[in-house]
Amino acid sequence: DQQVKQNSPSLSVQEGRISILNCDYTNSMFDYFLWYKKYPAEGPTFLISISSIKDKNEDGRFTVFLNKSAKHLSLHIVPSQPGDSAVYFCAANGGGYQKVTFGTGTKLQVIP
Amino acid sequence: DTGVSQDPRHKITKRGQNVTFRCDPISEHNRLYWYRQTLGQGPEFLTYFQNEAQLEKSRLLSDRFSAERPKGSFSTLEIQRTEQGDSAMYLCASSLGQGINEKLFFGSGTQLSVL
Repeated sequence: DQQVKQNSPSLSVQEGRISILNCDYTNSMFDYFLWYKKYPAEGPTFLISISSIKDKNEDGRFTVFLNKSAKHLSLHIVPSQPGDSAVYFCAANGGGYQKVTFGTGTKLQVIP
Repeated sequence: DTGVSQDPRHKITKRGQNVTFRCDPISEHNRLYWYRQTLGQGPEFLTYFQNEAQLEKSRLLSDRFSAERPKGSFSTLEIQRTEQGDSAMYLCASSLGQGINEKLFFGSGTQLSVL
C-alpha cells in the first residue's frame, strides 16, 4: 500500500521557469512532510519540510505548500536552475509512525 | 566531514554469499535507519534503532537480514545467503530522534549487486 504517491515520474522545465512537483498521501495520521533531492549514486539530501500546522514554508527558491483537506502537497522551485536537475522524493511521518515513508520520486530535468 | 558514512560504496557478490555493510551515523544522532532503494522506487524502510535498541523491523526484512548497533554508535547490516532480488542500494540515515518533525540525514549508500 503506497501511502505517499508521486504520480509524475518525470518533469521537464526550462531554466528560469517554475518547477512544480506534486505529492499525495493517504494516511491522515501523517503530520510532518519532507522533500528530499537525490543525485545519481548519492543518498537523498534533505531539502525542505513542513509541519501540518502550516500550509506554506519557504526557503530561498523552494516553497512547499500543504493542503491537508486534499491530502496534497507540492514543491515549487522558482527560478529553476540546471543544477536542480535530480530526483525529488516526497516523504511523510507522524502519528506514531516513527519511520519516514517515501514516495516513488519525480525526476526533474531543467533545460538550459 | 561529519555526515553519515557508509562502507563499502559498492559490493558485487555471488548468489548464496553473505555480505555485511557498515554505517557510521552523525555522532550526536541517537536514531539510525536502514532503507533499501531499487530502480524507479523511493527508499523503503527496513529497520531502525534508538541508540542500541532495534525498535522496528519492516515485514520486507526476511530472516536472512540482520542489523546491529552495538553501543549505539555504528551499525552493521548483514544479508545471509544473498539472492538476486537483494540487489539494490542500501541506505543508512541518522537523526536526532525528536519523534515528530523527524529529519533524516542519509549516507551515500552501498550499491549491492548479486550475480
